[in-house]
Amino acid sequence: QITLKESGPTLVKPTQTLTLTCTFSGFSLSTSGVGVGWIRQPPGKALEWLALIYWDDDKRYSPSLKSRLTITKDTSKNQVVLTMTNMDPVDTATYYCAHTLRWFGEFFDYWGQGTLVTVSS
Amino acid sequence: EIVMTQSPATLSVSPGERATLSCRASQSVSSNLAWYQQKPGQAPRLLIYGASTRATGIPARFSGSGSGTEFTLTISSLQSEDFAVYYCQQYNNWPHTFGQGTKLEIK
Repeated sequence: QITLKESGPTLVKPTQTLTLTCTFSGFSLSTSGVGVGWIRQPPGKALEWLALIYWDDDKRYSPSLKSRLTITKDTSKNQVVLTMTNMDPVDTATYYCAHTLRWFGEFFDYWGQGTLVTVSS
Repeated sequence: EIVMTQSPATLSVSPGERATLSCRASQSVSSNLAWYQQKPGQAPRLLIYGASTRATGIPARFSGSGSGTEFTLTISSLQSEDFAVYYCQQYNNWPHTFGQGTKLEIK
């Protein structure tokens, strides 16, 4: 079955760079149509779509955060990495990674459990 | 960027009754609309995609309708486990934006 799990620091300081890793199983990012995305949710607030990478290395970013985000994949390790630069307290949120299929509709059908990242000095 | 607006923000309904949640897009998203359910401390769960297709394992009491800019999620007879926050998401245009959510609470 498909599973995803996020990992990374729970606490980062303002201006630092956040690096999050999504490790998955049950599918391969070398399979045509497969994608992995990142979504975040500040405490008590709504979901925010951040970025997505496809099997063919096509990458999409939220325009409002594009200058701060980089998404990459390591197919051999079954991992997707999201980096976010210049972190600010408003970036405090639970960060989720999720699976999608381009050919089937680019919604997220499997989600990780999420990881809470707090930005504070 | 397409803005997704959900209404109401909070909906109070008694168990066994019907709940109707709305989602409006700022421009047409065709039928490229998904609904998710999120319970406290949990990741979102896919309920509906393609505006009206139930995801695997989703009970038949959940139904979706609409196209273009107006969408509805209906839960026909609320069970205790259905009280949660519901989000819509469009995946027609980048970025694939979410609505702000509707909290479904017990009346």
